[in-house]
Amino acid sequence: SQTIHQWPATLVQPVGSPLSLECTVEGTSNPNLYWYRQAAGRGLQLLFYSVGIGQISSEVPQNLSASRPQDRQFILSSKKLLLSDSGFYLCAWSADRVQETQYFGPGTRLLVL
Amino acid sequence: QKEVEQNSGPLSVPEGAIASLNCTYSDRGSQSFFWYRQYSGKSPELIMSIYSNGDKEDGRFTAQLNKASQYVSLLIRDSQPSDSATYLCAVSENTGNQFYFGTGTSLTVIP
Repeated sequence: SQTIHQWPATLVQPVGSPLSLECTVEGTSNPNLYWYRQAAGRGLQLLFYSVGIGQISSEVPQNLSASRPQDRQFILSSKKLLLSDSGFYLCAWSADRVQETQYFGPGTRLLVL
Repeated sequence: QKEVEQNSGPLSVPEGAIASLNCTYSDRGSQSFFWYRQYSGKSPELIMSIYSNGDKEDGRFTAQLNKASQYVSLLIRDSQPSDSATYLCAVSENTGNQFYFGTGTSLTVIP
């Protein structure tokens, strides 16, 4: 069966510091991968998605970036965090087929102070 | 702009009642529809998917889809306190498997 991991689970960072969140998927190959952010009391905002190694599409212009160095690894980064970057960051995967469901990882709760 | 609209709630129902959650979407090209449940502080988990017009039942849950009206709903029968959560509606065109999420409806089941 497939499993998706995210770490860290919780992170408190000062404004202006860098960020690196990691997501890995087990039990599948060539998944589509997604990064979402959920601000407090808000809906899910798609940040990035990837259909393959090195292939990243950005949905929202911001100070975040994403990379996919390996087939089942997806990394979300920032060089300088803003207060508005606080939120719940969710990684998701889906099989590379039509009508495939997205499955979410446990999430990383980020607080920027 | 692809929009998915849900009433934010909160929706309160007594234990044992039927909870009805509704979702409308703007893109007529949408082909796949999903309901997720999200407990406070946790990540969303899939409840049901539906692709064709009509009803789809899974245990106490029934999803209903009407593509002509651009409307999808979720019925929860015999509601339990453990059903108290936020329910997210998601819609996909299938192209690239990009999902568009509503902001969710908060459901409270009162014992």
